[in-house]
Amino acid sequence: KQEVTQIPAALSVPEGENLVLNCSFTDSAIYNLQWFRQDPGKGLTSLLLIQSSQREQTSGRLNASLDKSSGRSTLYIAASQPGDSATYLCAVRRNNDMRFGAGTRLTVKP
Amino acid sequence: DAGVIQSPRHEVTEMGQEVTLRCKPISGHNSLFWYRQTMMRGLELLIYFNNNVPIDDSGMPEDRFSAKMPNASFSTLKIQPSEPRDSAVYFCASSPQGAVNTGELFFGEGSRLTVL
Repeated sequence: KQEVTQIPAALSVPEGENLVLNCSFTDSAIYNLQWFRQDPGKGLTSLLLIQSSQREQTSGRLNASLDKSSGRSTLYIAASQPGDSATYLCAVRRNNDMRFGAGTRLTVKP
Repeated sequence: DAGVIQSPRHEVTEMGQEVTLRCKPISGHNSLFWYRQTMMRGLELLIYFNNNVPIDDSGMPEDRFSAKMPNASFSTLKIQPSEPRDSAVYFCASSPQGAVNTGELFFGEGSRLTVL
């Protein structure tokens, strides 16, 4: 069974810092990996989707990388802003089975 | 497109009552997922459908839980009878399957269930 782990569980940084969130998974036979953002009391918003054949995806200040062989992905956030404060979750997909990590709760202080 | 639509957004009920949660996936998506989120256990996959057929319901916690997808535009998750430990946020998500299961997952806003 696929296990997805996210480190750290919580992170607090001052505004303007660059930061990296980590995601690891136990079964490298995945089809894709997706990063989501969740604000308190809200649903999940898709940030980036990386197919298994890709190494990275970029959207604005966000860059996600994927190393399938080692079972790792990182989400890089450049020039963090208070509005980036949220919980970030990664999910890996095989067939129609998608498994989530527990998330990293990010706080960006003004 | 309006996105994945869930109802109700909030439900408060008493133990023993039947609860029905509803989901309308994004038009054209042929995979549908039900998740449950709690502080203790995070996001748990309950069941997923592909082309209206349940593929894996191993995440459904007990026989009190059942899910149906009578057509491509509607799914229900039913709990009967409900118990306080069922209190959680239930999310529905849909995805286009694509040629090699590469579809992006889109979530609804969730249904927050409180069982007293």
